[in-house]
Amino acid sequence: QSALTQPASVSGSPGQSITISCTGTTSDVGGYNFVSWYQQHPGKAPKLMIYDVDNRPSEVSNRFSGSKSANTASLTISGLQAEDEADYYCSSYTSTSTYVFGTGTKVTVL
Amino acid sequence: QVHLVQSGAEVKKPGASVKVSCKVSGYTFTTYAIHWVRQAPGQRLEWMGWINAGNGNTKYSQKLQGRVTITRDTSASTGYMELSSLTSEDTAVYYCAREDGLYWGQGTLLSVSS
Repeated sequence: QSALTQPASVSGSPGQSITISCTGTTSDVGGYNFVSWYQQHPGKAPKLMIYDVDNRPSEVSNRFSGSKSANTASLTISGLQAEDEADYYCSSYTSTSTYVFGTGTKVTVL
Repeated sequence: QVHLVQSGAEVKKPGASVKVSCKVSGYTFTTYAIHWVRQAPGQRLEWMGWINAGNGNTKYSQKLQGRVTITRDTSASTGYMELSSLTSEDTAVYYCAREDGLYWGQGTLLSVSS
């Protein structure tokens, strides 16, 4: 199972919106609505930001939103803040009852 | 309050095996599956496998199939991940996570070196 494809880096100024893409295949992202997004700060465990494509845990800011079109899922961060600077990973359920993570995206707040 | 507490750091020689534990509290252990995920230094997250904590069914990544074994002890509310035939490529932080992704262990650093 190959990793899902994400851009290596995305940057934006405070207050701006950015979008991170996550491209897979019909055997993972495109075939199931089980895409999650995780935020990871250096030296810390991942934190769930979005689950099932577009659902947000109650403790996560509504500045984070998710969507999906065909084989590509997206995470949008609006009103970018300094604390959003971190690595972000997508994850998807697959046709073999396994999971796969994306390649990861480093978000930089300029 | 939900907690997943993992065993401590390990140092192993190539060819050895390691077993990492993940003790759960704050919810009924058998209600959620447990995932195991690892992250080599400076690298991406890698999904390793999961176990249905209720019936013990498992599924492993194709890459690690044959080297990884995930088990659980329901009486101890603890999950285990054993990795064999270690090489330097297995040096990483190993995490357990609850099925819904909301709760993660603190991570266990495994160093493999001769």
